[in-house]
Amino acid sequence: NAGVTQTPKFRVLKTGQSMTLLCAQDMNHEYMYWYRQDPGMGLRLIHYSVGEGTTAKGEVPDGYNVSRLKKQNFLLGLESAAPSQTSVYFCASSYGWTALHFGNGTRLTVT
Amino acid sequence: EDKVVQSPLSLVVHEGDTVTLNCSYEVTNFRSLLWYKQEKKAPTFLFMLTSSGIEKKSGRLSSILDKKELFSILNITATQTGDSAVYLCAAYTSGTYKYIFGTGTRLKVLA
Repeated sequence: NAGVTQTPKFRVLKTGQSMTLLCAQDMNHEYMYWYRQDPGMGLRLIHYSVGEGTTAKGEVPDGYNVSRLKKQNFLLGLESAAPSQTSVYFCASSYGWTALHFGNGTRLTVT
Repeated sequence: EDKVVQSPLSLVVHEGDTVTLNCSYEVTNFRSLLWYKQEKKAPTFLFMLTSSGIEKKSGRLSSILDKKELFSILNITATQTGDSAVYLCAAYTSGTYKYIFGTGTRLKVLA
């Protein structure tokens, strides 16, 4: 049982480049979330989804897009990366109000 | 605006000490309060609390929720160096389906 799997684990981008982070969960969770974590700032919600085909904005959505075409997958896209998007990104999933299950994170550096 | 505040921001203790970590919350449609431990990688789940006054316990760790005063505490007794980590709390809001995290408490336990 893999739980929540994020790919890639590390990535370095140049300013202006684009990329997609993939999150896959095998727990049949309805709810999926993307967070970013920066030193001293805890986990900040970027976007989330409460079911296949639905997405919603979190606290810090600017510069990111998401898609949830299949229940088990939640993609986070950066169309034009900026140095301010250097961070560790975590995907998480849940049944709703119960424990959030996290992936191992993606460390992204934008130069 | 929904918010979760943790205190203290950081704490240094010696092995064997007892620590109390605090989490206060102001969220609409509160449903549950969750505690996580984060070492190098992804946060790992510790407790979920939904009812006031009922202590959850796991080994040397325990937690309780006060829904009237809107706070929770996490106690760690007889601390060990392996308890060194960032402890995060999060409140789940059933109105918007979001988990709102605090910035965390960084605990360092010295041998």
